[in-house]
Amino acid sequence: DTGVSQDPRHKITKRGQNVTFRCDPISEHNRLYWYRQTLGQGPEFLTYFQNEAQLEKSRLLSDRFSAERPKGSFSTLEIQRTEQGDSAMYLCASSFRGVQETQYFGPGTRLLVL
Amino acid sequence: AQTVTQSQPEMSVQEAETVTLSCTYDTSESDYYLFWYKQPPSRQMILVIRQEAYKQQNATENRFSVNFQKAAKSFSLKISDSQLGDAAMYFCAYRGGLTANSKLTFGKGITLSVRP
Repeated sequence: DTGVSQDPRHKITKRGQNVTFRCDPISEHNRLYWYRQTLGQGPEFLTYFQNEAQLEKSRLLSDRFSAERPKGSFSTLEIQRTEQGDSAMYLCASSFRGVQETQYFGPGTRLLVL
Repeated sequence: AQTVTQSQPEMSVQEAETVTLSCTYDTSESDYYLFWYKQPPSRQMILVIRQEAYKQQNATENRFSVNFQKAAKSFSLKISDSQLGDAAMYFCAYRGGLTANSKLTFGKGITLSVRP
């Protein structure tokens, strides 16, 4: 078990550019979550998938954000027309649906929008 | 909506001593789960301990234990025999009991420093 991985670990972009992040969950996990964490704050929920279905989206997820999980394996989070306020750490977590469900986090992608 | 409050932004403990980190939460649900996660500087978040609300017994994991007071909606973490490696940001998190409602709600976190 290699854990949750995310790529890239760091991304610097200019305002107005599009960026895409990837998350590879723990292989047997059927749920995948995206969170956003700004400096000095706790992570905030963005969206989650069960298999390939996107089941919930936060109101934090504006129209510029889109997430996919084709085939129920890895997931991508795309931000279009980035703004300076998008600068944050984007965390991915995965879990196996059930009463004892526990989320395991990846190392995150730190985004800086100039 | 559920909320999680960590009112202490920072705490410090002497190595080998015991420290308690506080967390309160608000919910109208009767079934839920509570977690403490540790986030070392520039490293990924890892689970420290979890507590099921239906269990009266407080969870323990080696040097880590919780004091779960359901009526008071309080969930504190006690770290015994503190070690330098315990220095990190600690987050309290809540998850609803329904498996369809599995997102975590986090507090703002507390930065724990350990003095040698």
